[in-house]
Amino acid sequence: AQSVAQPEDQVNVAEGNPLTVKCTYSVSGNPYLFWYVQYPNRGLQFLLKYITGDNLVKGSYGFEAEFNKSQTSFHLKKPSALVSDSALYFCAVRDVNRRGRQLTFGSGTQLTVLP
Amino acid sequence: NAGVTQTPKFRVLKTGQSMTLLCAQDMNHEYMYWYRQDPGMGLRLIHYSVGEGTTAKGEVPDGYNVSRLKKQNFLLGLESAAPSQTSVYFCASTWETGGRTGELFFGEGSRLTVL
Repeated sequence: AQSVAQPEDQVNVAEGNPLTVKCTYSVSGNPYLFWYVQYPNRGLQFLLKYITGDNLVKGSYGFEAEFNKSQTSFHLKKPSALVSDSALYFCAVRDVNRRGRQLTFGSGTQLTVLP
Repeated sequence: NAGVTQTPKFRVLKTGQSMTLLCAQDMNHEYMYWYRQDPGMGLRLIHYSVGEGTTAKGEVPDGYNVSRLKKQNFLLGLESAAPSQTSVYFCASTWETGGRTGELFFGEGSRLTVL
């Protein structure tokens, strides 16, 4: 089985400050890990992914995420938050060997960047 | 470039009525998915398809049926709607191979209310 936990329903940060959105995962094999963002009344948009290689992956809009195998975490980060980053963020995981390529999503974290 | 298109975008049903949601993608993707999104629960997989003529159950398949008669279309049916099926439904698709591992492309969602 594969699962994802996002321990924070809501994260508030001041504009210009660094932000972190937390994610931990569980899979039986090796993981593929993803972050998606959802703006109001829109579908999810892909931000970044970890497949293999460098543990620090860079994605769209200045976001990055660090894969930590020992802690089974994949936290999303950005050095300087913008008001326009305010959105709902989802972490997702897939076991490398899972047929069908379906992702399991976390419950989401609402990020609010305060001006 | 339309991407993933869902119709209808909004629908209100009475308990016991039936309806079909249509998902169409123009990216020649092999894999297609139907998710439902409920507050605090993230996205949960209903059914998916790994190619034309094939379907499989996801995490929450009860009360839903699907068909993939054409590669570009994936239909989600509710035979007898229940209030518990009030949700926002998202269709997604992705490639089979080609190095583009795992990214899902989402439609903008279909909001269904069952009274």
